[in-house]
Amino acid sequence: GENVEQHPSTLSVQEGDSAVIKCTYSDSASNYFPWYKQELGKGPQLIIDIRSNVGEKKDQRIAVTLNKTAKHFSLHITETQPEDSAVYFCASNSNSGYALNFGKGTSLLVTP
Amino acid sequence: SQTIHQWPATLVQPVGSPLSLECTVEGTSNPNLYWYRQAAGRGLQLLFYSVGIGQISSEVPQNLSASRPQDRQFILSSKKLLLSDSGFYLCAWSDQGAGGYTFGSGTRLTVV
Repeated sequence: GENVEQHPSTLSVQEGDSAVIKCTYSDSASNYFPWYKQELGKGPQLIIDIRSNVGEKKDQRIAVTLNKTAKHFSLHITETQPEDSAVYFCASNSNSGYALNFGKGTSLLVTP
Repeated sequence: SQTIHQWPATLVQPVGSPLSLECTVEGTSNPNLYWYRQAAGRGLQLLFYSVGIGQISSEVPQNLSASRPQDRQFILSSKKLLLSDSGFYLCAWSDQGAGGYTFGSGTRLTVV
């Protein structure tokens, strides 16, 4: 089945710095790549997604880039704030087209 | 707008007891429905998904089962809980076809 690798597992940055989280996937048929933010004790929330017909998508301080040739995609958060602290998950769709396969998550800590 | 409800929020059950977790979606028709489990400090593991009433696909063989008695209702069950069933259970829905999930708020299950 689809395998999604996510790095790093933990990331600590100072407020105002940028944070980058990287993921790789194995199924060349995957065409949908969302990112989720999970705060403690809550369900994950979709923050941005990208489809394979584009290489980059931006939404205010958050951007996602996709390299289909290399099968990797990345989340970029600029001007980080303490409220960005959370666990972030990348995902890609499986060959069934329905279910998402998730990376193991990155715990981001933004220190004031 | 669409909403997803999941209950209970927390549950403590003895080993060998039965389990029933319920998830309902409002504001949409014929959604894809999913059950995920998240062990402490780890990623999201897909347990079951459903593309229609009575249609259940199992991703991981275990002592859990799922049912979809109505279009917008998804139930996770077990006849006899094991200690290893402890975790954070998340229900999610998506539109038909590849797309982002909306997660419920989760159920924290502790088997003692």
